[in-house]
Amino acid sequence: GAVVSQHPSWVICKSGTSVKIECRSLDFQATTMFWYRQFPKQSLMLMATSNEGSKATYEQGVEKDKFLINHASLTLSTLTVTSAHPEDSSFYICSSRVRSTYEQYFGPGTRLTVT
Amino acid sequence: GQSLEQPSEVTAVEGAIVQINCTYQTSGFYGLSWYQQHDGGAPTFLSYNALDGLEETGRFSSFLSRSDSYGYLLLQELQMKDSASYFCAVRDRRSGAGSYQLTFGKGTKLSVIP
Repeated sequence: GAVVSQHPSWVICKSGTSVKIECRSLDFQATTMFWYRQFPKQSLMLMATSNEGSKATYEQGVEKDKFLINHASLTLSTLTVTSAHPEDSSFYICSSRVRSTYEQYFGPGTRLTVT
Repeated sequence: GQSLEQPSEVTAVEGAIVQINCTYQTSGFYGLSWYQQHDGGAPTFLSYNALDGLEETGRFSSFLSRSDSYGYLLLQELQMKDSASYFCAVRDRRSGAGSYQLTFGKGTKLSVIP
């Protein structure tokens, strides 16, 4: 199956700083990437849908100025958590949809802890 | 809006069969997917049903009834390694969105015991 990587796998940052998470599709071109957030023992909540070369579509309640998404190429999307606060601590997972299929392939996730 | 209901926890014995049900409400329904997630890991794709009926993949099978807005995941010959959370997810296309999206249920934590 398709491979999606994320970097870093975990990060600890201080409140008020910004953190960038990278999501790469390693062996296919991902025209669409999705960013999810998952709190402990809860479901995956879609944050935004990112299409290559265009602005991301954010879900209701997700602040686009706080969670900056850039999908500059067919293999890379980045999520930047700006001015992070402890309540932003979560598991962030990206996924890519292979063109013309119904499958989404998930990255291994990034665990963010804001102190 | 979208909503999915699935049991929060299920416990089953090694070697047995377990069924995890999922009911959903959504507009623009295209299909129902199932994902497995081990603690601390990412979800992995198990199956997808777009049409009514049963899809079988090894020990796992998935069923869909579009008229009942209902599906289930069937796990046979349970193994200890099957202990994980299982999520049903509706594939839909919401107004204004540029692509199909997945809306996940809250997950069912399956515990397989000896």
